[in-house]
Amino acid sequence: AQKVTQAQTEISVVEKEDVTLDCVYETRDTTYYLFWYKQPPSGELVFLIRRNSFDEQNEISGRYSWNFQKSTSSFNFTITASQVVDSAVYFCALTEGRAGNNRKLIWGLGTSLAVNP
Amino acid sequence: GAGVSQSPRYKVAKRGQDVALRCDPISGHVSLFWYQQALGQGPEFLTYFQNEAQLDKSGLPSDRFFAERPEGSVSTLKIQRTQQEDSAVYLCASSLSVAGVGGELFFGEGSRLTVL
Repeated sequence: AQKVTQAQTEISVVEKEDVTLDCVYETRDTTYYLFWYKQPPSGELVFLIRRNSFDEQNEISGRYSWNFQKSTSSFNFTITASQVVDSAVYFCALTEGRAGNNRKLIWGLGTSLAVNP
Repeated sequence: GAGVSQSPRYKVAKRGQDVALRCDPISGHVSLFWYQQALGQGPEFLTYFQNEAQLDKSGLPSDRFFAERPEGSVSTLKIQRTQQEDSAVYLCASSLSVAGVGGELFFGEGSRLTVL
């Protein structure tokens, strides 16, 4: 069965520290999509990245980077030089199938990140 | 604004009351989703619309939950005879692509329902 595990419930760091949020997934399918979303205190979920199972290249976007490793079924998210504005709950999510159908996103429980000044 | 708008942001209901939650998606977005997010949990899929057609309602927890999108834009999630376990944040999301296929979901800020 599909499952997404975010083992870190809460992380607290001091500003400018690097922080990595772990995501481990389980799926029966060979074709699937992985997502990261950010949920700030205001409540709306903000899309960060989508990665398909055939693309294992790591991705960097500014201070954000993602490490996708199929061998360990992990899709970890690193924030470099964290800032107070990064404080939020971060969710990893999975969907199966070629189309990357968002309808059946399976979500982890989220990691609450607190970046302190 | 240009984003997904939900109202009310907060709703307190007495057990047994009916409630209606509204979602204004981004203009032109074909796909609309409703999710339920309990405290400390990730979102759980409720239902999906493609334009005005409700193509998937497999996530609705009971027949007390009903959603509609009659003109393919604004959607309403109605919960009849609310119970305490219905307390959650109800998130609406829209996407430009069909079924949200491969596309980015844009979420509203949610409607927080508390049933006393």
